[in-house]
Amino acid sequence: EAGVVQSPRYKIIEKKQPVAFWCNPISGHNTLYWYLQNLGQGPELLIRYENEEAVDDSQLPKDRFSAERLKGVDSTLKIQPAELGDSAVYLCASSVWAGNNEQFFGPGTRLTVL
Amino acid sequence: QKEVEQDPGPLSVPEGAIVSLNCTYSNSAFQYFMWYRQYSRKGPELLMYTYSSGNKEDGRFTAQVDKSSKYISLFIRDSQPSDSATYLCAMSALSGGSNYKLTFGKGTLLTVNP
Repeated sequence: EAGVVQSPRYKIIEKKQPVAFWCNPISGHNTLYWYLQNLGQGPELLIRYENEEAVDDSQLPKDRFSAERLKGVDSTLKIQPAELGDSAVYLCASSVWAGNNEQFFGPGTRLTVL
Repeated sequence: QKEVEQDPGPLSVPEGAIVSLNCTYSNSAFQYFMWYRQYSRKGPELLMYTYSSGNKEDGRFTAQVDKSSKYISLFIRDSQPSDSATYLCAMSALSGGSNYKLTFGKGTLLTVNP
């Protein structure tokens, strides 16, 4: 069974530039999560999708962050414009459904904002 | 005080040693307890999953939950160099029929020396 796929793995951008991250969850997993992991910290939830619906985006900084999950499969997380403090690892995870909290994580996208 | 406290280490042990990793928490509503292993430049990988109090064993790994003390542990027997990684504890509560919202510790960096 293929795991959660993310791309790109690494991204370096100048501040104020836009950036986008892509995630393909495990086949059959209805729930998709985006997490932010700062250096030396545990992951923090940004947004959760049930199929194509964002059902918990309370931690997503909506002034600059946006996300979508068209057709309830792949998802994209966007930052526009990026700030220096956005440098972190962005992790995507999926689970069969939200009542099953066994979440499977992708390798993450490491973002560096210069 | 953070909801989940975890000593970041680093922890360095010789091969074959018994390793003890711990987390404390303050939210008495937490019922689901997990340990994730994260290798460098990789996403977290679910290692152990425990519901409520008690012990769970899987090969060389044993997870313990003491809800009365709000304390969870992960023991690794006969540690191997391949166990070198960051170990993250995570926990969640049942809310609105769902238990998806994981609260992570900071992670403990473990090195097993050959």
